[in-house]
Amino acid sequence: GEDVEQSLFLSVREGDSSVINCTYTDSSSTYLYWYKQEPGAGLQLLTYIFSNMDMKQDQRLTVLLNKKDKHLSLRIADTQTGDSAIYFCAESVSFQKLVFGTGTRLLVSP
Amino acid sequence: NAGVTQTPKFQVLKTGQSMTLQCAQDMNHNSMYWYRQDPGMGLRLIYYSASEGTTDKGEVPNGYNVSRLNKREFSLRLESAAPSQTSVYFCASSDSRDRVFTDTQYFGPGTRLTVL
Repeated sequence: GEDVEQSLFLSVREGDSSVINCTYTDSSSTYLYWYKQEPGAGLQLLTYIFSNMDMKQDQRLTVLLNKKDKHLSLRIADTQTGDSAIYFCAESVSFQKLVFGTGTRLLVSP
Repeated sequence: NAGVTQTPKFQVLKTGQSMTLQCAQDMNHNSMYWYRQDPGMGLRLIYYSASEGTTDKGEVPNGYNVSRLNKREFSLRLESAAPSQTSVYFCASSDSRDRVFTDTQYFGPGTRLTVL
Protein backbone atom coordinates (compact mmCIF):
# COMPACT_ATOMS: atom_id res chain seq x y z
CA GLY A 1 0.00 0.00 0.00
CA GLU A 2 0.91 3.64 0.05
CA ASP A 3 3.31 4.63 2.78
CA VAL A 4 5.48 7.66 3.37
CA GLU A 5 8.12 7.47 6.07
CA GLN A 6 10.11 10.16 7.82
CA SER A 7 12.30 10.28 10.87
CA LEU A 8 10.55 11.90 13.83
CA PHE A 9 13.11 14.40 15.09
CA LEU A 10 16.06 16.47 13.92
CA SER A 11 18.04 18.90 16.03
CA VAL A 12 20.54 21.39 14.55
CA ARG A 13 22.34 24.55 15.56
CA GLU A 14 21.51 27.91 14.05
CA GLY A 15 23.57 28.50 10.91
CA ASP A 16 24.03 24.80 10.14
CA SER A 17 22.34 23.00 7.25
CA SER A 18 19.38 20.73 7.97
CA VAL A 19 18.53 17.70 5.89
CA ILE A 20 15.13 16.08 6.31
CA ASN A 21 14.62 12.73 4.61
CA CYS A 22 11.56 10.93 3.32
CA THR A 23 10.92 7.60 1.61
CA TYR A 24 7.79 6.82 -0.34
CA THR A 25 6.36 3.71 -1.94
CA ASP A 26 4.24 4.73 -4.94
CA SER A 27 6.52 4.91 -7.97
CA SER A 28 3.74 6.47 -10.05
CA SER A 29 3.55 9.64 -7.92
CA THR A 30 3.49 12.68 -10.16
CA TYR A 31 4.42 15.30 -7.60
CA LEU A 32 6.11 15.21 -4.22
CA TYR A 33 5.62 18.00 -1.72
CA TRP A 34 7.15 19.49 1.38
CA TYR A 35 4.85 21.23 3.82
CA LYS A 36 5.78 23.14 7.00
CA GLN A 37 3.62 23.29 10.12
CA GLU A 38 4.37 25.85 12.81
CA PRO A 39 2.93 25.37 16.32
CA GLY A 40 -0.85 25.81 16.41
CA ALA A 41 -1.07 26.47 12.68
CA GLY A 42 -2.10 24.67 9.52
CA LEU A 43 0.22 23.27 6.88
CA GLN A 44 1.98 25.69 4.61
CA LEU A 45 3.31 24.54 1.24
CA LEU A 46 7.08 25.03 1.10
CA THR A 47 7.96 23.54 -2.24
CA TYR A 48 7.19 20.67 -4.59
CA ILE A 49 9.06 18.69 -7.21
CA PHE A 50 7.77 17.02 -10.34
CA SER A 51 8.67 13.36 -10.61
CA ASN A 52 10.80 13.81 -13.75
CA MET A 53 13.17 16.19 -11.93
CA ASP A 54 16.19 15.27 -9.80
CA MET A 55 16.66 18.54 -7.99
CA LYS A 56 14.90 21.81 -7.33
CA GLN A 57 16.37 24.84 -5.62
CA ASP A 58 14.39 27.69 -4.12
CA GLN A 59 16.43 30.20 -2.10
CA ARG A 60 17.60 28.35 1.03
CA LEU A 61 15.68 25.20 0.13
CA THR A 62 17.03 22.35 -2.00
CA VAL A 63 14.90 19.32 -2.83
CA LEU A 64 16.59 16.17 -4.08
CA LEU A 65 14.67 13.27 -5.60
CA ASN A 66 16.08 9.79 -6.13
CA LYS A 67 13.37 7.93 -8.02
CA LYS A 68 15.27 4.66 -8.11
CA ASP A 69 15.40 4.52 -4.29
CA LYS A 70 12.08 6.40 -3.83
CA HIS A 71 13.90 8.86 -1.59
CA LEU A 72 13.16 12.56 -1.20
CA SER A 73 15.12 15.05 0.86
CA LEU A 74 14.76 18.67 1.88
CA ARG A 75 17.89 20.64 2.66
CA ILE A 76 17.60 23.96 4.47
CA ALA A 77 20.76 26.04 4.24
CA ASP A 78 21.76 28.43 7.04
CA THR A 79 18.99 27.14 9.31
CA GLN A 80 17.39 29.79 11.52
CA THR A 81 15.40 29.49 14.74
CA GLY A 82 12.33 30.50 12.74
CA ASP A 83 12.71 27.27 10.77
CA SER A 84 11.78 25.26 13.87
CA ALA A 85 8.58 23.46 12.90
CA ILE A 86 7.24 20.10 11.77
CA TYR A 87 8.00 19.25 8.14
CA PHE A 88 5.76 16.90 6.20
CA CYS A 89 6.61 15.07 3.04
CA ALA A 90 3.63 14.11 0.82
CA GLU A 91 3.21 12.22 -2.42
CA SER A 92 0.37 12.53 -4.91
CA VAL A 93 -0.72 8.92 -5.38
CA SER A 94 -3.61 9.87 -7.66
CA PHE A 95 -5.42 12.98 -8.75
CA GLN A 96 -6.54 14.87 -5.65
CA LYS A 97 -5.14 12.29 -3.28
CA LEU A 98 -2.09 13.06 -1.17
CA VAL A 99 -0.46 10.66 1.25
CA PHE A 100 1.43 12.39 4.05
CA GLY A 101 4.36 11.23 6.10
CA THR A 102 4.28 11.35 9.88
CA GLY A 103 6.26 14.59 9.96
CA THR A 104 9.78 15.47 11.15
CA ARG A 105 10.06 17.89 14.05
CA LEU A 106 13.00 20.23 13.43
CA LEU A 107 14.44 21.99 16.45
CA VAL A 108 16.94 24.77 15.82
CA SER A 109 18.97 25.89 18.81
CA PRO A 110 20.81 29.23 19.02
CA ASN B 1 -7.95 36.96 0.45
CA ALA B 2 -8.40 35.00 3.66
CA GLY B 3 -7.56 31.67 1.98
CA VAL B 4 -9.07 28.75 3.89
CA THR B 5 -10.90 29.56 7.13
CA GLN B 6 -12.21 27.15 9.75
CA THR B 7 -14.53 27.53 12.72
CA PRO B 8 -14.39 26.93 15.57
CA LYS B 9 -10.69 26.95 16.54
CA PHE B 10 -11.27 24.85 19.66
CA GLN B 11 -14.14 22.66 20.84
CA VAL B 12 -14.76 20.31 23.76
CA LEU B 13 -17.58 17.77 23.46
CA LYS B 14 -18.98 15.05 25.65
CA THR B 15 -19.29 11.54 24.25
CA GLY B 16 -22.47 11.28 22.18
CA GLN B 17 -22.81 14.97 21.40
CA SER B 18 -22.94 16.17 17.83
CA MET B 19 -21.30 19.12 16.13
CA THR B 20 -20.43 20.53 12.74
CA LEU B 21 -17.04 21.91 11.76
CA GLN B 22 -17.22 24.67 9.19
CA CYS B 23 -14.76 25.40 6.39
CA ALA B 24 -14.79 28.07 3.70
CA GLN B 25 -12.34 29.09 0.97
CA ASP B 26 -12.26 32.25 -1.12
CA MET B 27 -9.84 31.07 -3.83
CA ASN B 28 -12.56 29.75 -6.18
CA HIS B 29 -11.11 26.25 -5.83
CA ASN B 30 -13.01 23.27 -7.12
CA SER B 31 -11.86 20.66 -4.61
CA MET B 32 -12.03 20.61 -0.83
CA TYR B 33 -10.79 18.13 1.77
CA TRP B 34 -11.10 17.21 5.43
CA TYR B 35 -8.15 15.65 7.25
CA ARG B 36 -7.48 14.66 10.82
CA GLN B 37 -4.04 14.90 12.41
CA ASP B 38 -3.07 12.61 15.25
CA PRO B 39 0.30 12.39 17.00
CA GLY B 40 2.75 10.16 15.14
CA MET B 41 0.30 9.48 12.31
CA GLY B 42 0.60 12.44 9.98
CA LEU B 43 -2.57 13.60 8.22
CA ARG B 44 -5.28 11.19 7.19
CA LEU B 45 -7.99 12.03 4.68
CA ILE B 46 -11.55 11.75 6.02
CA TYR B 47 -13.62 12.94 3.05
CA TYR B 48 -13.09 15.05 0.01
CA SER B 49 -15.22 16.87 -2.54
CA ALA B 50 -13.83 16.96 -6.06
CA SER B 51 -16.36 19.57 -7.15
CA GLU B 52 -19.54 21.22 -5.99
CA GLY B 53 -22.22 18.58 -5.52
CA THR B 54 -19.88 15.59 -5.09
CA THR B 55 -18.30 14.00 -2.04
CA ASP B 56 -16.17 10.88 -1.62
CA LYS B 57 -14.77 8.88 1.26
CA GLY B 58 -11.14 9.07 2.16
CA GLU B 59 -9.05 6.80 4.35
CA VAL B 60 -10.95 7.22 7.66
CA PRO B 61 -14.61 8.21 6.96
CA ASN B 62 -16.36 6.22 9.72
CA GLY B 63 -18.19 8.39 12.23
CA TYR B 64 -18.27 11.46 9.97
CA ASN B 65 -20.53 13.02 7.37
CA VAL B 66 -19.84 15.92 5.04
CA SER B 67 -21.78 18.49 3.06
CA ARG B 68 -20.51 20.54 0.15
CA LEU B 69 -22.92 23.41 0.64
CA ASN B 70 -21.68 25.41 -2.35
CA LYS B 71 -18.38 25.97 -4.09
CA ARG B 72 -16.97 27.91 -1.11
CA GLU B 73 -18.09 25.82 1.85
CA PHE B 74 -17.47 22.24 2.99
CA SER B 75 -18.65 21.13 6.43
CA LEU B 76 -17.77 18.08 8.51
CA ARG B 77 -20.32 16.65 10.93
CA LEU B 78 -19.84 14.34 13.88
CA GLU B 79 -23.26 12.86 14.66
CA SER B 80 -22.28 11.10 17.91
CA ALA B 81 -18.81 12.07 19.06
CA ALA B 82 -16.48 9.46 20.53
CA PRO B 83 -13.18 9.91 22.42
CA SER B 84 -11.38 8.32 19.43
CA GLN B 85 -12.36 11.41 17.43
CA THR B 86 -10.24 13.66 19.63
CA SER B 87 -7.89 15.17 17.08
CA VAL B 88 -6.94 18.27 15.15
CA TYR B 89 -9.06 18.67 12.03
CA PHE B 90 -7.79 20.45 8.94
CA CYS B 91 -9.71 21.60 5.93
CA ALA B 92 -7.89 22.13 2.62
CA SER B 93 -8.75 23.18 -0.91
CA SER B 94 -7.14 22.89 -4.33
CA ASP B 95 -7.72 24.18 -7.84
CA SER B 96 -7.85 20.75 -9.53
CA ARG B 97 -8.78 22.01 -12.94
CA ASP B 98 -6.80 19.23 -14.59
CA ARG B 99 -3.68 17.16 -14.17
CA VAL B 100 -1.46 19.74 -15.84
CA PHE B 101 -1.43 21.68 -12.59
CA THR B 102 0.20 20.51 -9.40
CA ASP B 103 -3.12 20.36 -7.56
CA THR B 104 -1.44 21.97 -4.59
CA GLN B 105 -3.57 21.86 -1.50
CA TYR B 106 -3.93 24.92 0.74
CA PHE B 107 -4.75 24.36 4.38
CA GLY B 108 -6.82 26.15 7.00
CA PRO B 109 -5.52 26.78 10.55
CA GLY B 110 -7.27 23.74 12.04
CA THR B 111 -9.89 22.93 14.69
CA ARG B 112 -8.67 21.29 17.88
CA LEU B 113 -11.41 18.94 19.10
CA THR B 114 -11.47 17.10 22.42
CA VAL B 115 -14.14 14.50 23.15
CA LEU B 116 -14.47 13.57 26.83
